[in-house]
Amino acid sequence: QVQLVQSGAEVKKPGASVKVSCKASGYTFSIYYMYWVRQAPGQGLEWMGIINPSGDSTSYAQRFQGRVTMTRDTSTSTVYMELSSLGSEDTAVYYCARGSSSSWYDQPDYWGQGTQVTVSS
Amino acid sequence: QPALTQPASVSGSPGQSITISCTGSSSDVASYNFVSWYQQHPGKAPKLMIYEVSERPSGVSNRFSGSKSGNTASLTISGLQAEDEAEYFCCSYADGSTQVFGGGTTLTVL
Repeated sequence: QVQLVQSGAEVKKPGASVKVSCKASGYTFSIYYMYWVRQAPGQGLEWMGIINPSGDSTSYAQRFQGRVTMTRDTSTSTVYMELSSLGSEDTAVYYCARGSSSSWYDQPDYWGQGTQVTVSS
Repeated sequence: QPALTQPASVSGSPGQSITISCTGSSSDVASYNFVSWYQQHPGKAPKLMIYEVSERPSGVSNRFSGSKSGNTASLTISGLQAEDEAEYFCCSYADGSTQVFGGGTTLTVL
């Protein structure tokens, strides 16, 4: 069965960076797009970006441009999301999610369990 | 501000049907048949309920259905059950290779 297991909760100071990992299993990782979505406390879902199967192409939401980097490692079936220059507004649960095997038009189907990132001085 | 507009809340009694709307623009819902709906229970990850406007993933009850007209997509849940009480989010592919979400709708089963 498809599983996405994310790294544990993080507490960071303002201005720092955070890198969240997401290890996939139960399917052929190398042919699927991967998404990152976040959810601030009591708020809705916010699309952050997507990385293609080979890892050589990404699309980021405009508000994160220059601050987010998504990468993937096929050898370990793991996708990463690094967010820099953290502020209190970045406190949220961060989710990885599996996209389609053919394009980045389709929305994700399977989701990780979420990683709580707290930014506090 | 979310790019897609959803009602903040809807409610219905067990056995009834409800519909949640999701209004976008010519840059997203109106131009693409890539609209999905997610169910989220408190403290849990979202679950895909509908994709490509009206397709149901394997294992999702046929009580859930989706449709689209112009710039508005809709999710209908028939035969409401207590376990349907949750937050529902719509999502659409949008111009510029992006995805946009609605603000979410809280469904209360009375």
